[in-house]
Amino acid sequence: AQSVSQHNHHVILSEAASLELGCNYSYGGTVNLFWYVQYPGQHLQLLLKYFSGDPLVKGIKGFEAEFIKSKFSFNLRKPSVQWSDTAEYFCAVTAYNTDKLIFGTGTRLQVFP
Amino acid sequence: DTEVTQTPKHLVMGMTNKKSLKCEQHMGHRAMYWYKQKAKKPPELMFVYSYEKLSINESVPSRFSPECPNSSLLNLHLHALQPEDSALYLCASSHGTLPNEQFFGPGTRLTVL
Repeated sequence: AQSVSQHNHHVILSEAASLELGCNYSYGGTVNLFWYVQYPGQHLQLLLKYFSGDPLVKGIKGFEAEFIKSKFSFNLRKPSVQWSDTAEYFCAVTAYNTDKLIFGTGTRLQVFP
Repeated sequence: DTEVTQTPKHLVMGMTNKKSLKCEQHMGHRAMYWYKQKAKKPPELMFVYSYEKLSINESVPSRFSPECPNSSLLNLHLHALQPEDSALYLCASSHGTLPNEQFFGPGTRLTVL
């Protein structure tokens, strides 16, 4: 069965620090990959997605992610975080040609001014 | 309109009550989803409707009964729930052609007494 793991459960950073959140999935076939963000009191929003093509994907709010097929990874990065990036971040995967979105356990990011 | 709306925002019900959650989208999407999210956990898929037909049921107890009256509306009927069913219930929609991305509503926070 598919699974998604996020190694960092809670990350605390100061503003302007760089961010990298890990995401690994287990599935041998083609996958579609997503990062969602849930700001406090708000609904899940899509940050970025990868379906095919360039493995370096740029999303909203300065986020990017790199798909490394050989490592089954899709890590999220941002060069300089802001206080407003404080949120819960979820990596998610669907197997190719399915509609079933599997979420990782989430990473809580706290950014202090 | 790029929103998924859910009503009510909050619901408190007793174990013998019958209530319904409602989800609506006007993006022309043909797939709609119900997820359950417990505190500090990722969303878990419950049901998927594709072109108004139930395509995925993740072995959800029969006290949860989904209904898709038309392509814009999705209901979740609740009956004889247990306190452990208290959670945030999220609705999502997608255009229905794979691969796709899902757009989430703000959720209904359900408390079962």
